Amino acid sequence: AAGVIQSPRHLIKEKRETATLKCYPIPRHDTVYWYQQGPGQDPQFLISFYEKMQSDKGSIPDRFSAQQFSDYHSELNMSSLELGDSALYFCASSTPGQGHTDTQYFGPGTRLTVL
Amino acid sequence: GEDVEQSLFLSVREGDSSVINCTYTDSSSTYLYWYKQEPGAGLQLLTYIFSNMDMKQDQRLTVLLNKKDKHLSLRIADTQTGDSAIYFCAEGSGGYQKVTFGTGTKLQVIP
Repeated sequence: AAGVIQSPRHLIKEKRETATLKCYPIPRHDTVYWYQQGPGQDPQFLISFYEKMQSDKGSIPDRFSAQQFSDYHSELNMSSLELGDSALYFCASSTPGQGHTDTQYFGPGTRLTVL
Repeated sequence: GEDVEQSLFLSVREGDSSVINCTYTDSSSTYLYWYKQEPGAGLQLLTYIFSNMDMKQDQRLTVLLNKKDKHLSLRIADTQTGDSAIYFCAEGSGGYQKVTFGTGTKLQVIP
């Protein structure tokens, strides 16, 4: 079965640079979520989109922005990168509905290292 | 994970049962999930339970939910070395809502 695809899988950037992370949800999933997992930490919710509109917002820094496109893929844009942004960034997708279809399925993550 | 707590570490012998516990605070949660994360890998959904259920069994996995005490547990029968990973419980309301993760329990299976 198709899963959530994230690219790139690994990214190395310097401080103050920008980064763009991409997420391709499971086919027919219309909701995308972004999470950040720091070293040794649990994943923290950043932001989510449903039908291209922001549906929920968590602890996302102002330096970060995200959007969902007409094909439902999403991009997380990160500017003025800081050392503390080094983390594993997960994308998840779901399709609201009855039963288990509300479940979020996670991608493999993008590991961002800021030097 | 400040609203969802787990013990940090659990060590069991291969073949024994493992029980990972979790407490949560949001009584409005509709779904409670268990995710598995192997080193350097993504989050794999293991199982989930609706908040109006007490128990769910899925092959070697048994989830117990005590809604009154807001306590969730995951039992892994016949634990194997391949079960070594970090296990996160998580709560959510479904729909477009975020999922809140617990602090994670690192399970070590000793051969």
